[in-house]
Amino acid sequence: GQSLEQPSEVTAVEGAIVQINCTYQTSGFYGLSWYQQHDGGAPTFLSYNALDGLEETGRFSSFLSRSDSYGYLLLQELQMKDSASYFCARDGTGGFKTIFGAGTRLFVKA
Amino acid sequence: DAMVIQNPRYQVTQFGKPVTLSCSQTLNHNVMYWYQQKSSQAPKLLFHYYDKDFNNEADTPDNFQSRRPNTSFCFLDIRSPGLGDAAMYLCATSGSVTTNEKLFFGSGTQLSVL
Repeated sequence: GQSLEQPSEVTAVEGAIVQINCTYQTSGFYGLSWYQQHDGGAPTFLSYNALDGLEETGRFSSFLSRSDSYGYLLLQELQMKDSASYFCARDGTGGFKTIFGAGTRLFVKA
Repeated sequence: DAMVIQNPRYQVTQFGKPVTLSCSQTLNHNVMYWYQQKSSQAPKLLFHYYDKDFNNEADTPDNFQSRRPNTSFCFLDIRSPGLGDAAMYLCATSGSVTTNEKLFFGSGTQLSVL
């Protein structure tokens, strides 16, 4: 299979750190991406991991463990504007396609 | 700026009346995608083009068709929209040669069916 699983909702306070986990099925897997989507907007790319380890981009970091079929997105110094849905995504087999997880809704409270 | 442009932003159609959604890109990417996204759900891939090669997802209804007349443009045709087709339709591109590490999305077309 090629599905991904992530929590449906996470709530955190401004200034905190939050981790959004994603597990995936390994069939045809190349790498794990993360996208952010604000209400009414389009998904925007955050990061991609093809190799094990941590990738850092400003306040956001993404981690992949291929042996555990697991990755996470780490958001530091949370701001109100980080309230959004976060999707993990992976390559699909049979051509150039990206399959999305169901998304994690992040609520940042003051 | 290079980008993915979708028109219109909002589209209202009547039940059963054909509708076409448009997407253009200035990124010169090989791959173009159409996703359907319903409220609070993940984007669902309908089909994609690698250059002129069309790839349909197995569970995409026959009611949905696509055309890609050239590298820059791609169209989504819904032949007989039903109430269940009301959704956000997202066009995306990818310039990757081997894997899909990054998709560039347009702002989407919100389709309403009356």
